[in-house]
Amino acid sequence: EAGVTQFPSHSVIEKGQTVTLRCDPISGHDNLYWYRRVMGKEIKFLLHFVKESKQDESGMPNNRFLAERTGGTYSTLKVQPAELEDSGVYFCASSQYSLAGSYNEQFFGPGTRLTVL
Amino acid sequence: QKEVEQNSGPLSVPEGAIASLNCTYSDRGSQSFFWYRQYSGKSPELIMFIYSNGDKEDGRFTAQLNKASQYVSLLIRDSQPSDSATYLCAVGGNDMRFGAGTRLTVKP
Repeated sequence: EAGVTQFPSHSVIEKGQTVTLRCDPISGHDNLYWYRRVMGKEIKFLLHFVKESKQDESGMPNNRFLAERTGGTYSTLKVQPAELEDSGVYFCASSQYSLAGSYNEQFFGPGTRLTVL
Repeated sequence: QKEVEQNSGPLSVPEGAIASLNCTYSDRGSQSFFWYRQYSGKSPELIMFIYSNGDKEDGRFTAQLNKASQYVSLLIRDSQPSDSATYLCAVGGNDMRFGAGTRLTVKP
């Protein structure tokens, strides 16, 4: 079974440009999460989808970040316009549907390393 | 104060020894606790989760949780060089809060 995949693996862009990151979760996983790790810092939660709905986007840093999950399958995270502080590794994770109060393991993708010059 | 705190290390232990990794968290209402292992350049991989106070053992790994002290730890017995990685403590559920990780080196 294929794991969580992310594209691209690396992206180098200039400040002010737009970048779109893609995540393909494990087939059948309703939950999809985006995280970010800035150099030297901890992995930080950005948002959580259940199918195509945003369940929690409390971690999104500002309105330059837009996440979508049309059709409840793959997700994209767009940064527009990119700033220097957006550099880091963006991880996507997915998990199976979980009943309220329970938890299913989150499987992480390999991440996209974004460098903004 | 960070939500989840870990010693960044590096922690170095000889092969066969017990490695002890520690984590504290600030949200007293937290219910779920996780340990992830991350090899350099790879994605985090879940190795243990614990919900209740006490110990939970899985092979060479033991997770310990003390909610009163807001403390969770991971013990790795009979450490192997292949255990060398960064270990991430995470708290919560769908909106997990991670510590910065402890880098462990197991020397042959």
